Amino acid sequence: DSGVTQTPKHLITATGQRVTLRCSPRSGDLSVYWYQQSLDQGLQFLIQYYNGEERAKGNILERFSAQQFPDLHSELNLSSLELGDSALYFCASSGQVGNSPLHFGNGTRLTVT
Amino acid sequence: GESVGLHLPTLSVQEGDNSIINCAYSNSASDYFIWYKQESGKGPQFIIDIRSNMDKRQGQRVTVLLNKTVKHLSLQIAATQPGDSAVYFCAETPDSSYKLIFGSGTRLLVRP
Repeated sequence: DSGVTQTPKHLITATGQRVTLRCSPRSGDLSVYWYQQSLDQGLQFLIQYYNGEERAKGNILERFSAQQFPDLHSELNLSSLELGDSALYFCASSGQVGNSPLHFGNGTRLTVT
Repeated sequence: GESVGLHLPTLSVQEGDNSIINCAYSNSASDYFIWYKQESGKGPQFIIDIRSNMDKRQGQRVTVLLNKTVKHLSLQIAATQPGDSAVYFCAETPDSSYKLIFGSGTRLLVRP
């Protein structure tokens, strides 16, 4: 168990809808990262937050947004959903300043129909 | 650009043999590298990491080798077991944000 909790585990929704994915990082970790993994693909970095502030941005669509709250949990909002948004969405956290392993949750599987 | 790639998408080995999974990275500024294991239905699990000031690091049954001259990273698994069957990803940190950029993964299949 990595200590990173993601909810929900599965989400099925229709095109055009909006969903919110939630992540609770490991206790004490200040950094939260979001990744997208499409079928049989690698993990694509979306966005990173550190102690409530956006730290780095990857290939995140304008339809997607995220935030990190004062209690350090994070939410990833996906709107105007398209079929191609179907994927696994992973959250990871780290606590140290500097290079250190990211600890991943078990992901949210999003299916857009 | 920021990209990490893998030479072999699928590797099949006999149980008990050693496995070698390779990875090429493109960003010469990267100074930290990690190997992750991902089992079906789970998130990536940290295996071993290495910093750019090292060329070899050993863990329990695993060794990571880093060749900065040719920008190549490898993961060696000794005495491969059925439980090692998974997809393995290499990842690098190309800048000071410490985000990880992942390769496309190699599937390791262990034959009994």
